[in-house]
Amino acid sequence: DIVMTQSPDSLAVSLGERATINCESSQSVLYSFNNKNYLAWYQQKPGQPPKLLIYWASTRESGVPDRFSGSGSGTDFTLTISSLQPEDVADYYCQQYYSTPPTFGQGTKVEIK
Amino acid sequence: QVQLVESGGGVVQPGRSLRLSCAASGFTFSSYGMHWVRQAPGKGLEWVAVISYDGSNKYYADSVKGRFTISRDNSKNTLYLQINSLRGEDTAVYYCAKDGDPYRSGGSYYFDYWGQGTLVTVSS
Repeated sequence: DIVMTQSPDSLAVSLGERATINCESSQSVLYSFNNKNYLAWYQQKPGQPPKLLIYWASTRESGVPDRFSGSGSGTDFTLTISSLQPEDVADYYCQQYYSTPPTFGQGTKVEIK
Repeated sequence: QVQLVESGGGVVQPGRSLRLSCAASGFTFSSYGMHWVRQAPGKGLEWVAVISYDGSNKYYADSVKGRFTISRDNSKNTLYLQINSLRGEDTAVYYCAKDGDPYRSGGSYYFDYWGQGTLVTVSS
């Protein structure tokens, strides 16, 4: 199974500041035949199910604010929140879907400083 | 709008069985693969199983293989998870989740909609 490792486990950022979450996969999730990275990001607020933010490593899901962006390729990926808002307080998970089983990172808790 | 509503959770004794359901609406259910993902209290997300849009392909996490069975009834727009020989480590919120693209043959993918989840507690 591909192991997904996120860093940091938690971070506190001031309102309006940038938040950066890293995700590393134990093997590449880039498919050479279509040049796509099989990597998604989810946001989960307390008591709610996860919500898809980003897929194909950098494609924003419809309706997701443009302050959320994804980048990276191969084994190293980043989710960036460009200007943290109060409603962004949540847990964030990366997930690879390059191979079965799909696997998630351990999660990163984002809080307001 | 897409809706996924899970049901069937509860408190169950170890070794017993349970069947979870997920009622889908707002999209063409028969065109999409469907997944179960679980989350133990205070823990992260763990994928459990997937079934292809037509039910022909099914895959399971090693931790549940042989005990869990995923199925679907496209005439009822409903996904199921039969859970047998329940263990304490199966205690979790179970979410159903929809494949991000239609007509896939199963296996790994991203999930564009999730239900609210149903809690399964295994306790004597």
